[in-house]
Amino acid sequence: AQSVTQLDSHVSVSEGTPVLLRCNYSSSYSPSLFWYVQHPNKGLQLLLKYTSAATLVKGINGFEAEFKKSETSFHLTKPSAHMSDAAEYFCVVSPSGGSYIPTFGRGTSLIVHP
Amino acid sequence: KAGVTQTPRYLIKTRGQQVTLSCSPISGHRSVSWYQQTPGQGLQFLFEYFSETQRNKGNFPGRFSGRQFSNSRSEMNVSTLELGDSALYLCASKPTPTGELFFGEGSRLTVL
Repeated sequence: AQSVTQLDSHVSVSEGTPVLLRCNYSSSYSPSLFWYVQHPNKGLQLLLKYTSAATLVKGINGFEAEFKKSETSFHLTKPSAHMSDAAEYFCVVSPSGGSYIPTFGRGTSLIVHP
Repeated sequence: KAGVTQTPRYLIKTRGQQVTLSCSPISGHRSVSWYQQTPGQGLQFLFEYFSETQRNKGNFPGRFSGRQFSNSRSEMNVSTLELGDSALYLCASKPTPTGELFFGEGSRLTVL
């Protein structure tokens, strides 16, 4: 069994300040972990993925995430928010075996103030 | 390389009707999966097809069905539509079983 918990439904930041979106997971298998972003009326776009290589993963648009097995966390960060970062962010866990069915978090809405 | 293409993008139906949605995956991707996204339930897995075979199915009633063709294009069908079926239906393809999902822009279904 696997599950994903995004700890904040909304995060509000000012432009130029750091972003932290939190994600905790549980999985029976060694999982693959992903962060996706969704802009209004669009599909999901991959930001970054962790697949048991380096624990610090760099993605697109300046985002990165750190896999912490001891804390079962995979938090997404960005040093400086931009207005264009305002969107919905999803943390996703996918088992590395078995059914490969992904489980999505409920999403975190990132609001960026000028 | 062209991305995942979903048609139609928007559609309005009435209760009791049926609907068919289409998805063309990225060239070379043989796995296609479907998801329902609603404000109340979030993103939920519907089913996955690989090489024309349904490999996995989510917890949805039998009114939801799908198929995949030999060119990897996929369709999903919802029969006897209910108001609660109003949602954004997303299709995704992936290159390998453990690879990342590539999503289309979705088909937004409104049931009146």
